[in-house]
Amino acid sequence: DGGITQSPKYLFRKEGQNVTLSCEQNLNHDAMYWYRQDPGQGLRLIYYSQIVNDFQKGDIAEGYSVSREKKESFPLTVTSAQKNPTAFYLCASSTTGMETQYFGPGTRLLVL
Amino acid sequence: AQSVTQPDIHITVSEGASLELRCNYSYGATPYLFWYVQSPGQGLQLLLKYFSGDTLVQGIKGFEAEFKRSQSSFNLRKPSVHWSDAAEYFCAAGSNYQLIWGAGTKLIIKP
Repeated sequence: DGGITQSPKYLFRKEGQNVTLSCEQNLNHDAMYWYRQDPGQGLRLIYYSQIVNDFQKGDIAEGYSVSREKKESFPLTVTSAQKNPTAFYLCASSTTGMETQYFGPGTRLLVL
Repeated sequence: AQSVTQPDIHITVSEGASLELRCNYSYGATPYLFWYVQSPGQGLQLLLKYFSGDTLVQGIKGFEAEFKRSQSSFNLRKPSVHWSDAAEYFCAAGSNYQLIWGAGTKLIIKP
């Protein structure tokens, strides 16, 4: 079955620590996205990638970094510079920027 | 500024009753429009989308939405809700890789 997987489901971060969230898709989509979701708010775009080896900042990129070395993978690193990282993180992909985005099941990041 | 507004944070309806969830957008041109549904702790599932053409769009699970350009609205409807429809619903608008999301409407179903 084609789809998007995110791991882990829950992630705990200690102060000053960088953590990496995994996102893998087997839909053969060119575009991939990372969103942050906080209670009572809509999704906010962190980074997106139109194609391998290319990515752009979204609305809230500060404190986050990404890479896109393979078409199927788009990992997100939450750095120690992100002072309020507790949130639900969603990865998505689409064939192009004008098409439907399909979402993974999400990763919940908590700070110890 | 571009924005998507879902005026209702919560809506409670009885099982079997009809449903309408409101979505208004502010955008420079007619954007692509989407409705997604999210169950607690889960990812988002696409219900339906409007790109162009017929302004009444049919989606999955018996949902439909109507695009009204004059009102900048894209309201979601269902004639008869089921307990399994209890979830949070998000409207989104945009194009070219960047979607703007509403804050969501939580649907509560009364037995």
